Amino acid sequence: LAKTTQPISMDSYEGQEVNITCSHNNIATNDYITWYQQFPSQGPRFIIQGYKTKVTNEVASLFIPADRKSSTLSLPRVSLSDTAVYYCLVGDRGGGATNKLIFGTGTLLAVQP
Amino acid sequence: GAGVSQSPRYKVAKRGQDVALRCDPISGHVSLFWYQQALGQGPEFLTYFQNEAQLDKSGLPSDRFFAERPEGSVSTLKIQRTQQEDSAVYLCASSLGFSSGNTIYFGEGSWLTVV
Repeated sequence: LAKTTQPISMDSYEGQEVNITCSHNNIATNDYITWYQQFPSQGPRFIIQGYKTKVTNEVASLFIPADRKSSTLSLPRVSLSDTAVYYCLVGDRGGGATNKLIFGTGTLLAVQP
Repeated sequence: GAGVSQSPRYKVAKRGQDVALRCDPISGHVSLFWYQQALGQGPEFLTYFQNEAQLDKSGLPSDRFFAERPEGSVSTLKIQRTQQEDSAVYLCASSLGFSSGNTIYFGEGSWLTVV
């Protein structure tokens, strides 16, 4: 059972900033929030991960409010090559027998020229 | 290698045939996962190994599916008597450990088509 809810699809234009919001109302104390990008015919590629507040790396930023019931992936100045499916996942990274990630349906981001 | 390696990349099997899919995780990675991804869907968890121990096989769809990782490195997913509904991409993933902050890295997948 997927633990996250995100829009099915989004459209954008080259050079724009894109924000994809994910809802995870039942997030557990030990859960981290992870975003993956997937192109057709390829495996998911790790983008960014966070627990709370804001995380930034060379490709994206992740904003997590204090209640952690949602998160927003921000992609600055997208290009055509950013057209892909983006998955938001939550998972218990605090140890235990299984540390699996549960994927939802993802958000198909279509970037147009 | 630098990433998770899977073979074969593409496999066409006749219904009823047995198939074996191989995964070479990133060197030193303790955790290994198998996922199944149907066309247009997100990946679905199949099974999880910590070293050679299979700690979770709750996602395996039937007893025709079997996975092993005998020496705690390379893993094989075996599907016996393949059916058309087994057609999917099978993704292998690995992570350095199982504690907080460990990133899970995916391979490119093995595309299985059962005809």
